Amino acid sequence: GENVEQHPSTLSVQEGDSAVIKCTYSDSASNYFPWYKQELGKRPQLIIDIRSNVGEKKDQRIAVTLNKTAKHFSLHITETQPEDSAVYFCAAPGSQGQPGGGNKLTFGTGTQLKVEL
Amino acid sequence: KAGVTQTPRYLIKTRGQQVTLSCSPISGHRSVSWYQQTPGQGLQFLFEYFSETQRNKGNFPGRFSGRQFSNSRSEMNVSTLELGDSALYLCASSLAGTFRLGDGYTFGSGTRLTVV
Repeated sequence: GENVEQHPSTLSVQEGDSAVIKCTYSDSASNYFPWYKQELGKRPQLIIDIRSNVGEKKDQRIAVTLNKTAKHFSLHITETQPEDSAVYFCAAPGSQGQPGGGNKLTFGTGTQLKVEL
Repeated sequence: KAGVTQTPRYLIKTRGQQVTLSCSPISGHRSVSWYQQTPGQGLQFLFEYFSETQRNKGNFPGRFSGRQFSNSRSEMNVSTLELGDSALYLCASSLAGTFRLGDGYTFGSGTRLTVV
């Protein structure tokens, strides 16, 4: 099955700096790479995703890049703000066409981002 | 549209007891996936239900089971609770669980289970 590794596990930046979180995946058939943000005591929420037919996607201060050859993808947050403080998870689905149909997401272990004033 | 509703939000149970958690997906969504979230293990896939059938299963013991009803609402059950079952249990609603364009996860707020 799919294996997703995420680094770093914790990241502390000064307000206004950039933050980068990196993930690698094992299954070359993965074609969808979402990022979730989970604030303390809340549900994981999708913040951005990318599909394997593009190399980069941006949404205001956040961007995701994908390198299919190296099987890694990264989340970039620019001009960080205190409200960006949260745990961020990457994920990948692995091969489509599971024996029972449908698919599941395999998640990285999360990155605790702290934005300091 | 209404989001994903999980009940109850918090539960405290004793070792050896059993527990049932509920998840109501977004209207029109037919796939419900369950995850266990712990500080040490992150988000671990339990199982996925689609059209009242368990379609995929993770690597959890048989004490963990679930079902889905005709209205797509899903329940998961944990029998003979162990201390290690203490976790946040999240359900994720999706149209069909394919992750094709427009078909991604929306998570519920979770049920925090504490086993004492």
